[in-house]
Amino acid sequence: GAVVSQHPSRVICKSGTSVKIECRSLDFQATTMFWYRQFPKQSLMLMATSNEGSKATYEQGVEKDKFLINHASLTLSTLTVTSAHPEDSSFYICSAPAGQGRNQPQHFGDGTRLSIL
Amino acid sequence: AQTVTQSQPEMSVQEAETVTLSCTYDTSESDYYLFWYKQPPSRQMILVIRQEAYKQQNATENRFSVNFQKAAKSFSLKISDSQLGDAAMYFCAYRSNTGTASKLTFGTGTRLQVTL
Repeated sequence: GAVVSQHPSRVICKSGTSVKIECRSLDFQATTMFWYRQFPKQSLMLMATSNEGSKATYEQGVEKDKFLINHASLTLSTLTVTSAHPEDSSFYICSAPAGQGRNQPQHFGDGTRLSIL
Repeated sequence: AQTVTQSQPEMSVQEAETVTLSCTYDTSESDYYLFWYKQPPSRQMILVIRQEAYKQQNATENRFSVNFQKAAKSFSLKISDSQLGDAAMYFCAYRSNTGTASKLTFGTGTRLQVTL
C-alpha cells in the first residue's frame, strides 16, 4: 500500500536553530501534502497545505516565515522551522492523499518529535 | 468552517466487551467523508474506518463499525470484542468533498483504555 516516509523521527536542538523535516511519498506521487502539529494530549491541527510547484497555503494563525514549506517534487515536501524556540517544541506530522481522486484516503508519516532546548 | 466534536476525553472497556465512541460534527455541506483514526503510543496515525456521506449503509471493518446519522450529524464508532491492542487515542475526522483540497479536520480525541 501507499507509504509516506517522514524524517527525522526525533530532533533535539538548541534554541535559535533551524530544523528541516522531510515528508516523502514512497510509491505514489503527491501533488498535495499536509502538515499538522500536535501538542501533547491534544488533537492534530492543520498548519498548511503543501502544493507541488506553487506556494503553500497556510492556516490562519500560522506564521509562514516561521514555518517554511517547500514542495519541489511530486514525492517530497519539506517543513523548515526557522530559528526554533522552546514554544515550537511539538509533534509534527505530514500526510498525503494517495492519488488524484477525491475519494483517496490520506496516508500519514510517522511524525517528528521536535524538542527545542 | 467545519467542526468536529468528541465529547468523551477518556473511555474504558474490558477485554472482549463492546465500546462506543461518540463523534458529532457541524457542516453545511452534503458531500463529505468521515473517518476514525487510531493513534497508539507510537503516535502513528492509523485509519480505522471511513464513511462516505452519500452512502446510507454504515461502514464496517471487522470488529469496527460506525453508526452514521447524517441528519443528526453524528458518527459514532463501535468496537466489538475489544482487545488490548485497541488501547489508543481515537480521532474522528471530517473531510470535505468540495474543491480540490482534501485536508482533514480532527476532533479532540478519545483515549481508550482496555482492561483485563
